[in-house]
Amino acid sequence: DIQMTQSPSSLSASLGERVTITCRASQGISSNLAWYQQQPGKAPKLLIYGSSALQPGVPSRFSGGGSGTEFTLTISNLQPEDVATYYCQKYDSAPWTFGQGTKVEIK
Amino acid sequence: QVQLLESGGGVVQPGKSLKLSCAVSGLNFRSHGMHWVRQAPGKGLEWLAVVSYDGNYKYYVDSVKGRFTISRDNSKNTVYLQMDSLRSEDTAVYYCAKGTRELDYWGQGTPVIVSS
Repeated sequence: DIQMTQSPSSLSASLGERVTITCRASQGISSNLAWYQQQPGKAPKLLIYGSSALQPGVPSRFSGGGSGTEFTLTISNLQPEDVATYYCQKYDSAPWTFGQGTKVEIK
Repeated sequence: QVQLLESGGGVVQPGKSLKLSCAVSGLNFRSHGMHWVRQAPGKGLEWLAVVSYDGNYKYYVDSVKGRFTISRDNSKNTVYLQMDSLRSEDTAVYYCAKGTRELDYWGQGTPVIVSS
């Protein structure tokens, strides 16, 4: 099975700062990648699909990119409500594996 | 609006069974694949299983293969997760989610605690 590895596992950044999270697949998955945000105590929420397409209603400060084996999620202008854990997930084929998550905090 | 509502969680002894339900409203249920995902306390998300829109395709992660069964009833807009031979490591919040590709709608989760 394809493994998904996120880095870093956690990060702390200042309000207004730009933050980038990386997700690597152990084999190529084209652009079949989604990013989810899980705020504390809540269910996950889809942010980005198809590697770079923004889910309707998601603020434009979130952006995604990459294809094949390396992907990024960028939050420009970090806001207090962005404190959450972010997960990547592949969906090229089963199993729909998640990355281990990246916890984002405010410095 | 779209709603996914899980139920059936609770405390169960090791080796016993539990069946989770996820009732879906606000969308054409029979057109979409459905998934179960879990999250152990303090841990990340673990994808468990998928069932196709018509119930004919199912796939499981290795850790639950042979113990868990996903199914759906399109007449009731409901997806199920039958969990047998439960272990302490199955303790988690269980989420259902809708999606043939990305998972665009999620339920609020139902907790399962496996303990003697």
